Amino acid sequence: DGGITQSPKYLFRKEGQNVTLSCEQNLNHDAMYWYRQDPGQGLRLIYYSQIVNDFQKGDIAEGYSVSREKKESFPLTVTSAQKNPTAFYLCASSKGPGTSGANVLTFGAGSRLTVL
Amino acid sequence: DAKTTQPPSMDCAEGRAANLPCNHSTISGNEYVYWYRQIHSQGPQYIIHGLKNNETNEMASLIITEDRKSSTLILPHATLRDTAVYYCIVRGLMTTDSWGKLQFGAGTQVVVTP
Repeated sequence: DGGITQSPKYLFRKEGQNVTLSCEQNLNHDAMYWYRQDPGQGLRLIYYSQIVNDFQKGDIAEGYSVSREKKESFPLTVTSAQKNPTAFYLCASSKGPGTSGANVLTFGAGSRLTVL
Repeated sequence: DAKTTQPPSMDCAEGRAANLPCNHSTISGNEYVYWYRQIHSQGPQYIIHGLKNNETNEMASLIITEDRKSSTLILPHATLRDTAVYYCIVRGLMTTDSWGKLQFGAGTQVVVTP
């Protein structure tokens, strides 16, 4: 079945360490996204990518980095510069622009990062 | 993108219809209404979307008023598994020039009770 796989599901990190969250999709979607969710809050966009080797900052990109070397993969690195990284991270993908289906996002199950 | 307003919470009895309102009074002619839901500790799930006609799928129905300033998501026979946060989002078509992102607000916490 097609879908999005995020790993790891749970991750613990010490302060000052960088961590990378994996996101892989087999839906042949052009666009991929990373969102952050804090307890009781909505989703906030970190980065998004329309196409391979291109990505754009979202609303809260500081302290994060991404790459899009393959269509299927969009890993997120949480760097030590992110002051409050403990959160639930969600990866999503969608079809390309120009159709109403471009706003239909398929989400992964999420990765919960805790900084000790 | 047009702003949306949803009630913060609502309860629904199992087996009854759940009617979730959403106001989007500043919606423009080319903007669609999308609904997603998020069950606790899971990723959001797409439910349905529409432009101006009412829409129905296996999950829900979407009723959009004639002036398009508000809409209602209807879960016809709510079950305990429908307990989730429901997000109403208004967004135009993503073109290569206006590529953007979906803004998820606080949504409506729906609790289905036995």
